[in-house]
Amino acid sequence: SQKIEQNSEALNIQEGKTATLTCNYTNYSPAYLQWYRQDPGRGPVFLLLIRENEKEKRKERLKVTFDTTLKQSLFHITASQPADSATYLCALGRYSGAGSYQLTFGKGTKLSVIP
Amino acid sequence: EPEVTQTPSHQVTQMGQEVILRCVPISNHLYFYWYRQILGQKVEFLVSFYNNEISEKSEIFDDQFSVERPDGSNFTLKIRSTKLEDSAMYFCASSHFDGDYGYTFGSGTRLTVV
Repeated sequence: SQKIEQNSEALNIQEGKTATLTCNYTNYSPAYLQWYRQDPGRGPVFLLLIRENEKEKRKERLKVTFDTTLKQSLFHITASQPADSATYLCALGRYSGAGSYQLTFGKGTKLSVIP
Repeated sequence: EPEVTQTPSHQVTQMGQEVILRCVPISNHLYFYWYRQILGQKVEFLVSFYNNEISEKSEIFDDQFSVERPDGSNFTLKIRSTKLEDSAMYFCASSHFDGDYGYTFGSGTRLTVV
């Protein structure tokens, strides 16, 4: 069966350090992978998308890597700040036919940045 | 920045009642979605909608669910006969090129079935 695993439910990190979150998947052939941020009681907020033929994407302090051989994506936040504390969701986009993609989410990793 | 707007933010309903959750997607987006998140669990896909019809639906989206785009701006999710297990946060989302540039999610409607 298809699985998306974010291997840490929770991650605590000191302010200023780099946070690295992992997303692994099995039995998927994703067209792309997205990362979202979710704050309590709020909807997910899109951060970055990386396509199956891309290795790395950057946006400000964020970096995403995508290894389709290992079936893994790493999400890095450099120079982390307390304001980065949130749950981070990995989501895989799979082409489902008729011009449509289905986005499937992992359970998320709750990141706490300690001052 | 454009937003997806959902109303109401919180709805309490009796088991067996019908509820309609409303969404106003971003105006130039073409693809619309409903997701739900049961407390403490992951965000789950319900249905996608494009060109005025359902393009895909999950196993969760059974006959008690329906979606409609009654005019050029609103996108609704109807649950015909609510059950206790329908209690969840329901998120509407929209995208321009079916996810190529990410989905924009609303803030959600918290549905509580009692």
